[in-house]
Amino acid sequence: GAVVSQHPSRVICKSGTSVKIECRSLDFQATTMFWYRQFPKQSLMLMATSNEGSKATYEQGVEKDKFLINHASLTLSTLTVTSAHPEDSSFYICSARGEDFEQFFGPGTRLTVL
Amino acid sequence: RKEVEQDPGPFNVPEGATVAFNCTYSNSASQSFFWYRQDCRKEPKLLMSVYSSGNEDGRFTAQLNRASQYISLLIRDSKLSDSATYLCVVTGSGGGADGLTFGKGTHLIIQP
Repeated sequence: GAVVSQHPSRVICKSGTSVKIECRSLDFQATTMFWYRQFPKQSLMLMATSNEGSKATYEQGVEKDKFLINHASLTLSTLTVTSAHPEDSSFYICSARGEDFEQFFGPGTRLTVL
Repeated sequence: RKEVEQDPGPFNVPEGATVAFNCTYSNSASQSFFWYRQDCRKEPKLLMSVYSSGNEDGRFTAQLNRASQYISLLIRDSKLSDSATYLCVVTGSGGGADGLTFGKGTHLIIQP
């Protein structure tokens, strides 16, 4: 299957700082990437759809000014958690959509906000 | 009502047993259905797609009942390596053009 990378895999930061997470499709071009979040013992929840060259589409309840998404190229989408707080601590996973609509997931980024 | 519901388990079964998971979904316009597997603290990985005609992949059989909005997964001759959380996943009316909706998952523990 296709390969999607995420960086960093783990980040610990202080409350109030901003954290940027990168999602890259390594062997294919992805016009659409998705960002999910998973709290402990909960399901993955779609946060937003990242479209190359246009604004991201956010799910209801997700603050677009807090979770900034940039999809500047066909292989890279970034999620920036601005002014992170402890309640933002979670497992953030991106996926990239291939030609046949299958989604390939990155390995995830575990964010801990102190 | 949750969009995708699964029995969270855990299911503790002996190695070699057959185990079945069920899932129901609320959006009748959903077009595509999948079972994913997620190991602890890892990303989900696609196990198999689910078709109305049912499909089988080795020891795994998936079935879809659109009328009842019900999806199932059967694992035969379970192995220790099958221990994981199994996620029932559906897409919306946009098919694969939109994001995936995940159930909370069913935790399976295969015991030697």
